[in-house]
Amino acid sequence: GNSVTQMEGPVTLSEEAFLTINCTYTATGYPSLFWYVQYPGEGLQLLLKATKADDKGSNKGFEATYRKETTSFHLEKGSVQVSDSAVYFCALSDPLAGGTSYGKLTFGQGTILTVHP
Amino acid sequence: DVKVTQSSRYLVKRTGEKVFLECVQDMDHENMFWYRQDPGLGLRLIYFSYDVKMKEKGDIPEGYSVSREKKERFSLILESASTNQTSMYLCASSFAGGNQPQHFGDGTRLSIL
Repeated sequence: GNSVTQMEGPVTLSEEAFLTINCTYTATGYPSLFWYVQYPGEGLQLLLKATKADDKGSNKGFEATYRKETTSFHLEKGSVQVSDSAVYFCALSDPLAGGTSYGKLTFGQGTILTVHP
Repeated sequence: DVKVTQSSRYLVKRTGEKVFLECVQDMDHENMFWYRQDPGLGLRLIYFSYDVKMKEKGDIPEGYSVSREKKERFSLILESASTNQTSMYLCASSFAGGNQPQHFGDGTRLSIL
């Protein structure tokens, strides 16, 4: 079956530091990959996505590249801000999943990021 | 912007009560989902629906049921609430298709006393 593995947190950084949150996956087909962010007290928001190998998703200074050869989709940001403190979820959707699995997302466990001034 | 609205942000109920959580989306999405989120366990899918009156069990359906009488509304029902159902509940919706992102509501924090 499909699965997503994220690096364990929490991750604590100083403002303007470089961020990497690792995400690897296993899937039966050729999945689409997503990063979601959850700010305190809120639901999940889509941060970025990539639908095929070598695609790069980007938004708000965050980037992730779909690496089929390493089955990875690592999230990066060059200079984090205090306002980036949140929980980050990596997820996949397998378009070849059969039947009613179509459209379901498989989530990683989430990584808590705390950025200090 | 897509809007997924959950009826309550916070809810407190008693053991044994029947509890209804409501979710409405305004983007004509085919798919709707209910998750629960617990510390250390991430998001776990309870039920999802891919069409009106259609539903499928997710990973943890025990103790829950759902109703989708209209396309825009998806209700989660706790038939007889128990303390182990204290959690954050998240509703999401998406278009049909294998690469569509899901859009989430702000969640309902449910406490069962």
